[in-house]
Amino acid sequence: DTGVSQDPRHKITKRGQNVTFRCDPISEHNRLYWYRQTLGQGPEFLTYFQNEAQLEKSRLLSDRFSAERPKGSFSTLEIQRTEQGDSAMYLCASSLGIGANVLTFGAGSRLTVL
Amino acid sequence: AQRVTQPEKLLSVFKGAPVELKCNYSYSGSPELFWYVQYSRQRLQLLLRHISRESIKGFTADLNKGETSFHLKKPFAQEEDSAMYYCALPNSNSGYALNFGKGTSLLVTP
Repeated sequence: DTGVSQDPRHKITKRGQNVTFRCDPISEHNRLYWYRQTLGQGPEFLTYFQNEAQLEKSRLLSDRFSAERPKGSFSTLEIQRTEQGDSAMYLCASSLGIGANVLTFGAGSRLTVL
Repeated sequence: AQRVTQPEKLLSVFKGAPVELKCNYSYSGSPELFWYVQYSRQRLQLLLRHISRESIKGFTADLNKGETSFHLKKPFAQEEDSAMYYCALPNSNSGYALNFGKGTSLLVTP
């Protein structure tokens, strides 16, 4: 287990296209989180899964964003009809169900919307 | 809303000097606070959490409920401490996801 893996690491797309990011968490972690980070900002919470259930979504997660974790393992984050404002680093993190909020982060997927 | 404020975007100190990175929070109830760090070209990672009361890489942080602060301190900064530091606390809904501050960039110069 090499930690939290994210794919792709970089994605350049044209405005209006759809993109999908994948996150593979640490295998024994049942919680999975998606964050977005733009230049000069800290990570901003998007959504959170416990096993396959999506338990929380922030207001930042517009209707164009959808996240899934179908079997409680990997997760996907899809952005439809991308806009230039979606350009950011998308971070995935996972954590164990027991204990406090110790998140292990992936390296991130950088999205550039032209 | 549960939030943290890091008032300094950039902090520059000389090697061997003391360093203090400020974090103030707003939270209803008893907060659990964290410091995460991101070194150049590395992933965001946990540095320390107040509940464990430990010193990591020479850093300590004390929760001051009266001043609603959780400042990160180190008595003698090293060049390898140069990084982005983020203060964080649980959000108000699930309590599992974290809300992060905007971060402070620490630069330790020789």
